[in-house]
Amino acid sequence: KNEVEQSPQNLTAQEGEFITINCSYSVGISALHWLQQHPGGGIVSLFMLSSGKKKHGRLIATINIQEKHSSLHITASHPRDSAVYICAVRPLGGGGADGLTFGKGTHLIIQP
Amino acid sequence: GAVVSQHPSRVICKSGTSVKIECRSLDFQATTMFWYRQFPKKSLMLMATSNEGSKATYEQGVEKDKFLINHASLTLSTLTVTSAHPEDSSFYICSARVTGYGYTFGSGTRLTVV
Repeated sequence: KNEVEQSPQNLTAQEGEFITINCSYSVGISALHWLQQHPGGGIVSLFMLSSGKKKHGRLIATINIQEKHSSLHITASHPRDSAVYICAVRPLGGGGADGLTFGKGTHLIIQP
Repeated sequence: GAVVSQHPSRVICKSGTSVKIECRSLDFQATTMFWYRQFPKKSLMLMATSNEGSKATYEQGVEKDKFLINHASLTLSTLTVTSAHPEDSSFYICSARVTGYGYTFGSGTRLTVV
């Protein structure tokens, strides 16, 4: 059974702080996704990773395939970054299913 | 690009009635659509995978007669919750896998059954 574990579950920080959210998974994957879910529920895809590192604006995502671990970093955090950040993986050979397996999410609050 | 439009965003219905949720791919052809359910403070859980022109594949424990999925065209997939019960109240969201792009998600539907 594939499990996706995220830490921390909740994180409150001050504006400007450097934020790190971690994700660990238990099986081989073809890709890992970082998603952002806003209070209304809508989900936005931030990154899709299969190796290395990606950067988009103030967001940086890294993955270590050997250690089955990924991190999402936010530099110069801002209150508008407040959201739930979800790690999701696409397992290798998922029995024909292409659906993702999701972590429970990290609820991030950035205070002004 | 790769936008999925999901409607309605919120719906309240009475027990015993049916509710239809639609997901439309606006600028690409979605041969496969995934339907997820999310309970408060919980992970999204895959309910079923719909493929255009064929029967949906349901995950273990999901009642196919209760959650009817239709994927009649490359741009439209629907989920109908039949004989709704208060325990069906949840957040439902669809997603499509787009070649070279990853996954794109609908905005979700919050269903409340009273």
